[in-house]
Amino acid sequence: DAGVIQSPRHEVTEMGQEVTLRCKPISGHDYLFWYRQTMMRGLELLIYFNNNVPIDDSGMPEDRFSAKMPNASFSTLKIQPSEPRDSAVYFCASSLFSGHETQYFGPGTRLLVL
Amino acid sequence: EDQVTQSPEALRLQEGESSSLNCSYTVSGLRGLFWYRQDPGKGPEFLFTLYSAGEEKEKERLKATLTKKESFLHITAPKPEDSATYLCAVQAHYGGSQGNLIFGKGTKLSVKP
Repeated sequence: DAGVIQSPRHEVTEMGQEVTLRCKPISGHDYLFWYRQTMMRGLELLIYFNNNVPIDDSGMPEDRFSAKMPNASFSTLKIQPSEPRDSAVYFCASSLFSGHETQYFGPGTRLLVL
Repeated sequence: EDQVTQSPEALRLQEGESSSLNCSYTVSGLRGLFWYRQDPGKGPEFLFTLYSAGEEKEKERLKATLTKKESFLHITAPKPEDSATYLCAVQAHYGGSQGNLIFGKGTKLSVKP
């Protein structure tokens, strides 16, 4: 298996622009997670899905952030409008249910908002 | 509030110098404790899951242990390729559904030849 795939790997944009991050989970995994990592706050959960349905979005910082999972093999995290404080590395992870709760992470998208 | 604290923040070792990393946690009912390794520019890579106090798991030069309040990651005779940031995370029981992972900020390990 190719593992969790994320794109783009790097994104540089200007404040106010829309940013879309993409994720393809491991085939057969029921859960998908979006995390944000910064030096100050470490790795924080933003939102997670189970069978394409959002379960907990309490970590989404504000209404500028939205996430969708239209099917089992694709998810997006959108920031509109973007702000400099959104600069971070965004990770997608996926896991199986049925007791296999280990989360497998993608390589991340490094976002810089100028 | 569920919380994970890792210490030290950074650790420098000479090759072959054994040591331990600490992960202290407070959680309302532990479902599992996870250790990950993260290399620069990459996503966290799964190492171990521990479920109950007294449990131990080993992988090459790494051994993870768990008590009711903390976990240790013991590194025996480390090599330069063990240099990475090691992350600890806990998962709590939430009504039987899969709870969120709460991560510590990590310990950055450097092993010099």
